[in-house]
Amino acid sequence: LAKTTQPISMDSYEGQEVNITCSHNNIATNDYITWYQQFPSQGPRFIIQGYKTKVTNEVASLFIPADRKSSTLSLPRVSLSDTAVYYCLVGDRDDKIIFGKGTRLHILP
Amino acid sequence: ETGVTQTPRHLVMGMTNKKSLKCEQHLGHNAMYWYKQSAKKPLELMFVYSLEERVENNSVPSRFSPECPNSSHLFLHLHTLQPEDSALYLCASSQDYILGPNGGNEKLFFGSGTQLSVL
Repeated sequence: LAKTTQPISMDSYEGQEVNITCSHNNIATNDYITWYQQFPSQGPRFIIQGYKTKVTNEVASLFIPADRKSSTLSLPRVSLSDTAVYYCLVGDRDDKIIFGKGTRLHILP
Repeated sequence: ETGVTQTPRHLVMGMTNKKSLKCEQHLGHNAMYWYKQSAKKPLELMFVYSLEERVENNSVPSRFSPECPNSSHLFLHLHTLQPEDSALYLCASSQDYILGPNGGNEKLFFGSGTQLSVL
């Protein structure tokens, strides 16, 4: 069972860059890495997905080292509205889309 | 707007009531999901439908009964619930539900959920 490990929580300040790292030592060859964002009382929202190296979109960047055993979600210049729970997902052997506990990001003014 | 609509947004019901949650997706996806999220807990996958057939049923009590009449609609019928069933119930869809090594690569699109309180 592919498993991810993320920090339980993080604090940062408005305007800063936030990096959230996820460990996935048992990632399979075909697995992509997917990140979701969830606000209270709402469903998770897809942020970004990648396989290797670097992926960037209008919301975030995803950095994946060559061994793919970890990944880092980078949020540039965060604002208060980026306060949310961030989930890192990889495929597992049962091929189910399983969410872990995520990282609770709290942005301070 | 994710293209997945859930109704109602909030629901309060007694333990003897029967109610239904509705989910509709406008994305042309082939797979739909029900997740349960209790307070400060991870999302729990309940059911998965692919092309209107149930493909996953993760040991969910029979008081929860899903129905997928077509690829755009998903229901969760509730009866004789318990207070511990109070949670946020989330519907999601994905283009396909793929078994095999790439199954976990599907992108999920979630609705806003139904906040259920069982009294």
